[in-house]
Amino acid sequence: AQSVTQLGSHVSVSEGALVLLRCNYSSSVPPYLFWYVQYPNQGLQLLLKYTTGATLVKGINGFEAEFKKSETSFHLTKPSAHMSDAAEYFCAVSAGASNYQLIWGAGTKLIIKP
Amino acid sequence: DGGITQSPKYLFRKEGQNVTLSCEQNLNHDAMYWYRQDPGQGLRLIYYSQIVNDFQKGDIAEGYSVSREKKESFPLTVTSAQKNPTAFYLCASSNRNTNTGELFFGEGSRLTVL
Repeated sequence: AQSVTQLGSHVSVSEGALVLLRCNYSSSVPPYLFWYVQYPNQGLQLLLKYTTGATLVKGINGFEAEFKKSETSFHLTKPSAHMSDAAEYFCAVSAGASNYQLIWGAGTKLIIKP
Repeated sequence: DGGITQSPKYLFRKEGQNVTLSCEQNLNHDAMYWYRQDPGQGLRLIYYSQIVNDFQKGDIAEGYSVSREKKESFPLTVTSAQKNPTAFYLCASSNRNTNTGELFFGEGSRLTVL
C-alpha cells in the first residue's frame, strides 16, 4: 500500500533562507508525486507535480522538488524564503495512471521569521 | 472564470441536526471528491464520484451521504450519525481522462457543531 511521510509538522526558517520540506513515500508502482500548498482557511493549490521524465520539477512561486527513486523521496525546496510563503504544504502520491485517488501526507506548516 | 464553489464558507449546527454542504464546479470535470481536514491529520477522503449518478465511499464515509445528479454538483450531507463533525471540509474535482491525479479544490467549508 502506498503511504506518504512528511518529516516535521512545523518548519521555521528566516526570511531569505533556504526552505526544505521533506517528503518520503512508499509505492509498489512508479508513482506520480505532488506538492500542494494551503493558505489559511483556503483550499489547496497545486505547486508542482512529477509524473514522468525529468526528475527535477519546477513549480510556481520559485519552488522546486527532486524525485529520487533510490531514496523514495520528493523533497520541496526554495532557495530564498519570502514572508508570503507562510502556509501549510502537503505532499501526495498517486499510484499511477489507473488511480487518481491521492494518498496525502499529514502536512508541514512553514513559518517564516522576519 | 472556471473553478469550484463551496458554500457556505462557515456553518454552525446544533447536535442532532443534518447539514448539507454545497459544491459546484464549472470545469467540466468528470470526477469530484469530498475531503475532511482536521489539524495535523492531512486530508481524509469521505466520498468520491467518477461519473454522474455514481459514487463510492472513501476512508471515512460513516455519518456522511452524497448525491451526484448533475455533473457540476456534488453536495455532501453531514448527518446526525457523524460523531465528531466539527472540521474543515474540502471539495475537489479532477479531469478523469488526464489520469495524473491533479485535483482542483474549492475554498472549503468550516463546520462547527455547538
